[in-house]
Parts: sequence; C-alpha cells; structure tokens
Amino acid sequence: DAGVTQSPTHLIKTRGQQVTLRCSPKSGHDTVSWYQQALGQGPQFIFQYYEEEERQRGNFPDRFSGHQFPNYSSELNVNALLLGDSALYLCASSLNSGITEAFFGQGTRLTVV
Amino acid sequence: KQEVTQIPAALSVPEGENLVLNCSFTDSAIYNLQWFRQDPGKGLTSLLLIQSSQREQTSGRLNASLDKSSGRSTLYIAASQPGDSATYLCAVIGGGSNYKLTFGKGTLLTVNP
Repeated sequence: DAGVTQSPTHLIKTRGQQVTLRCSPKSGHDTVSWYQQALGQGPQFIFQYYEEEERQRGNFPDRFSGHQFPNYSSELNVNALLLGDSALYLCASSLNSGITEAFFGQGTRLTVV
Repeated sequence: KQEVTQIPAALSVPEGENLVLNCSFTDSAIYNLQWFRQDPGKGLTSLLLIQSSQREQTSGRLNASLDKSSGRSTLYIAASQPGDSATYLCAVIGGGSNYKLTFGKGTLLTVNP
C-alpha cells in the first residue's frame, strides 16, 4: 500500500500565477481533505471532498478550489497566487464519513516569489 | 469554534526519560482525537486515534488518554529515544456535521543522547 501520495513535492511560482496540486488517497479511502500549514503553525483546514462533492470548507477565499475524481484522487487549485500562500500543503485521506483515522501525504511545499 | 492548545510548545529531555505532552480543546463534542508526529518539512504520521467513547489507546512506547468531559488529552512517551525527536500534533474532529481536523500548534520534542 503506497499510502497517500502528493505531487509535486516542491513548487516555486510567481505572484499572480495559478497552481494545481495533486493527491492520491490511501487505497480504499474515499474522502480527501486539504490543509495548509504555515511555518511553526498547525495545519489549517481548507476543504474536504466526499463522493466528488465539496462537503465542508474552511475559512479560505474562493481563489482556493478543488476537485475529486471518480477514482477518489483530488486536486487543489489556487488562483492569483499571493506571497502569503507560501506554505506546506497537506492532503489527508480517510474512510467514508471522515471521522475515522486520517492519513496524510508528505505534502507539497509551495513557494510564491 | 473549536480551539486546540498544546503545552509545552517545546520540550528538551535526556534520552531514556519518560515524558508527557498535553493537549486541551474547548468543545467537548468531538468524534475522536488523533495524535500525529511531524518531522521537519515532512508530512504527518498518525500515531494514535482515540474515539470519543474510549479513554486511552496504546501503541508500543506510546500511550494516549482522553478525558472528553474536561477537554484534555495526554500523550505519554516511555523511555524516550533520540529518534523520537519531532513535532507532536494533537487534532480533534468535532461533532455534528463538522468533519474537519482542528489542530494545535504542536510540541517540539528534542531527545538528547
């Protein structure tokens, strides 16, 4: 079992650009959540996808959007990048309702310059 | 709004010492509580999951307890080793239709040889 995999591992973008991050959940998991982690802080919830629908969203602007595919993999898109979007982006997968154990990927380090 | 606090923010101990990390949360209506480990610049590794109906969970040298009514959890690490050095994060999933993990800022543990 490969666990949760994220790509790419590192990314450098310029202010104003758009970025897409990808996540493949742990085998058998159908729920994917995305988190943003700034240096020295705990991860902050962005949104969660279940059955290809956004089920819950955190306090992030509409520039942050996502998608879940029929195979349960997911994408996080961020438009009009700001310097403050620089962070570690983490994907977590879990079973059905999302209240079971969550497993995280290794993260994508996004740097906006 | 659920808030999670972890004390202490940092801890340095000699190898072999037993130690306790503390986590508190403001809303006791949770589904479960999960402890994670994070190495610098890496993703999160799940250590223990305690469901709201449980009082404690054990895995090897780790033991986590949960007192839901008082909004507290502790992570006990026995016979600490240098390889235990990492940031330890506590997270809760709230009740009702709240499926997100709410994290504390973590405790940075250093175990000195």
